[in-house]
Amino acid sequence: QLQLQESGPGLVKPSETLSLTCTVSGGSISSSSYYWGWIRQPPGKGLEYIGRIYYSGSSYYNPSLKSRVTISVDTSKNQFSLKLTSVTAADTAVYYCASLRRGWFDPWGQGTLVTVSS
Amino acid sequence: QSALTQPASVSGSPGQSITISCTGTSSDVGGYNYVSWYQQHPGKVPKVMIYDVSNRPSGVSNRFSGSKSGNTASLTISGLQAEDEADYYCSSYASSTTYVFGTGTKVTVL
Repeated sequence: QLQLQESGPGLVKPSETLSLTCTVSGGSISSSSYYWGWIRQPPGKGLEYIGRIYYSGSSYYNPSLKSRVTISVDTSKNQFSLKLTSVTAADTAVYYCASLRRGWFDPWGQGTLVTVSS
Repeated sequence: QSALTQPASVSGSPGQSITISCTGTSSDVGGYNYVSWYQQHPGKVPKVMIYDVSNRPSGVSNRFSGSKSGNTASLTISGLQAEDEADYYCSSYASSTTYVFGTGTKVTVL
């Protein structure tokens, strides 16, 4: 059964780069059935799609974040990663990774809270 | 890409049916059959309840059903139960190869 787990710093300073990794277990990240995505949720607010990547490295981003986001994949480690540059307090959120099958996100990781503060 | 529009809150008594709407445009909800719905209890991870407009994943109660008409998708919960009290989000694939979520609806069981 596919499982995902986010990891990375819980505190990032303003203007710096947020970096998170998602480790996939119970299946191969090189499966042709899935994309691998990132979603975030600011405290008390709704969900926001960040972007997704295919095992081949093809990536697609939310236009509103595209200038600051990079998603990469490491098939040898069964991991994919998120980098968000020039962060501000508005980027404080729970960040989820999830597998994306055609049109829906499932399963999701447990989520990790990233706070942007000096 | 703007968030899909959902009512902020919907409530119902146990046993009743409620419907949550999710309104987008022809560039998202109306243009693709990739609408999904997620249930999120406080402090928990979102769980997919409906995918591809009207399909239920294995293990999801048949009290949950989905549909779409034009640019508006809907999630109906029949036989409302206390455990259904949660936040619900719709999502749709959109042109420009992105995805968009709804604004979220808080369901209260009276």
